[in-house]
Amino acid sequence: QVQMQESGPGLVKPSETLSLTCTVSGGSINSYYWNWIRQPPGKGLEWIGYIFYTGSTNYNPSLKSRVTISLDTSENRFSLNLSSVSPADTAVYYCVRKGGFFYGMDVWGQGTTVTVSS
Amino acid sequence: EIVLTQSPGTLSLSPGERATLSCRASQSISNSYLAWFQQKPGQAPRLLIYGASSRATGIPDRFSGSGSGTDFTLTISRLEPEDFAVYYCQQYGSSSWTFGQGTKVEFK
Repeated sequence: QVQMQESGPGLVKPSETLSLTCTVSGGSINSYYWNWIRQPPGKGLEWIGYIFYTGSTNYNPSLKSRVTISLDTSENRFSLNLSSVSPADTAVYYCVRKGGFFYGMDVWGQGTTVTVSS
Repeated sequence: EIVLTQSPGTLSLSPGERATLSCRASQSISNSYLAWFQQKPGQAPRLLIYGASSRATGIPDRFSGSGSGTDFTLTISRLEPEDFAVYYCQQYGSSSWTFGQGTKVEFK
C-alpha cells in the first residue's frame, strides 16, 4: 500500500523560499504523476503543479514564476520549492499521487501546515 | 483556465436522504476528466469518482457520478452519517488543473 509523507519547516519568513519534501513508501516513484496541492485555512483546494516520473513538469499558471518541483528517484521522493513567499502562501500542503491520463488523484499525504510569518 | 462552479454551497439533509451535487465548468472538459473528492475536518481529501463516473477503489456504490461537457453531478443515493462532509469537483482535462469551491453536506 503506497503511503506519502510530507516534511519540511512549519514556519517560513516572508520573501524566503518554502521547501517541502514528499517521501513515497510502499511503491516506486518511477511511474505516475506526483502533485502538490495546498489549502489555505478555511478555504478550498488549489493545485500547485506536478512532476511526471519522466521529469516533465506542469505548474499552475498563477504560481508558475515561483514554483519548482523536482524528483529524486534514488530516494523515492519529490520536492516543492516556492520562492518569495508571503502570508497568502500560508496553507496545508499536500503531496498527492495521480495515475495515468484517465485516473484521479488517489493517494494523498496527511498534509503539512506551513505558516508564512516574520 | 477552466473555472468550476459548484452548487449549492451548502446542502442540509438527513441520513437516508438523497444528495445531488452539481459542478458546472466554464468550458467543456475534454474526455470527461472530472473527479470528485470528499473531505472531512482535519483530514486529507479522498478520491470518490474519476473520469466523471468511475468509482475509485473501495468507494461504496451509493456514490455515483454522471455528466459530460460542462455539467457534472455527484449523487449520494442514501446518506450515511459518515457522508456529511465537504465535496470538491476537480478537472484535469486541460493543462491547468482546477478545483471547484466545494459543497458542504450538513445535517438538517
